Amino acid sequence: GDSVTQMEGPVTLSEEACLTINCTYTATGYPSLFWYVQYPGEGLQLLLKATKADDKGSNKGFEATYRKETTSFHLEKGSVQVSDSAVYFCALSDLAGGSYIPTFGRGTSLIVHP
Amino acid sequence: SQTIHQWPATLVQPVGSPLSLECTVEGTSNPNLYWYRQAAGRGLQLLFYSVGIGQISSEVPQNLSASRPQDRQFILSSKKLLLSDSGFYLCAWTKRELYNEQFFGPGTRLTVL
Repeated sequence: GDSVTQMEGPVTLSEEACLTINCTYTATGYPSLFWYVQYPGEGLQLLLKATKADDKGSNKGFEATYRKETTSFHLEKGSVQVSDSAVYFCALSDLAGGSYIPTFGRGTSLIVHP
Repeated sequence: SQTIHQWPATLVQPVGSPLSLECTVEGTSNPNLYWYRQAAGRGLQLLFYSVGIGQISSEVPQNLSASRPQDRQFILSSKKLLLSDSGFYLCAWTKRELYNEQFFGPGTRLTVL
């Protein structure tokens, strides 16, 4: 079955540091890939997505590139802010899997200190 | 535009009491609907999903149940709560096209004492 593996957290950074959160996946077909962000006490919201190989999703200074050859979708940001502190989830949606169920990683907590 | 509502936002219930959490979606039709639970410091656990009125699929056997009485209404219930039912419950919807992202509600924080 499909699966998503993302790096364990928490990731602790100082403000303006560079961020990379690794995400790799296995899928039956050709999935779409997503990063969601969850701020404390809130639901998840879509941060960015990519639907085909070599697509780059970007939003709020975050970006991730769909790498089919390495089955990866790593999240990056050049300069993090305290307000980026949240939990980040990598996810996929695979039509070929025949399922209506997206697959989520376990989430990576990011803590940014001033 | 589409919106998703959940209520209540916070709930404290004694062990053995019943539960009813409600989720409604506005501004779309025929959505796929999902209930997730998130225990403290952990990832998402899919509990139920529905592709239409009266159609419920359960992912994890437990003392919870779900119903979809209307196209845009999804209800999570229990007859008798357990301590282990405590957590953050999230409702989500997707458009019928499978590649589309999920849209999440604000969540319900349930504490069972």
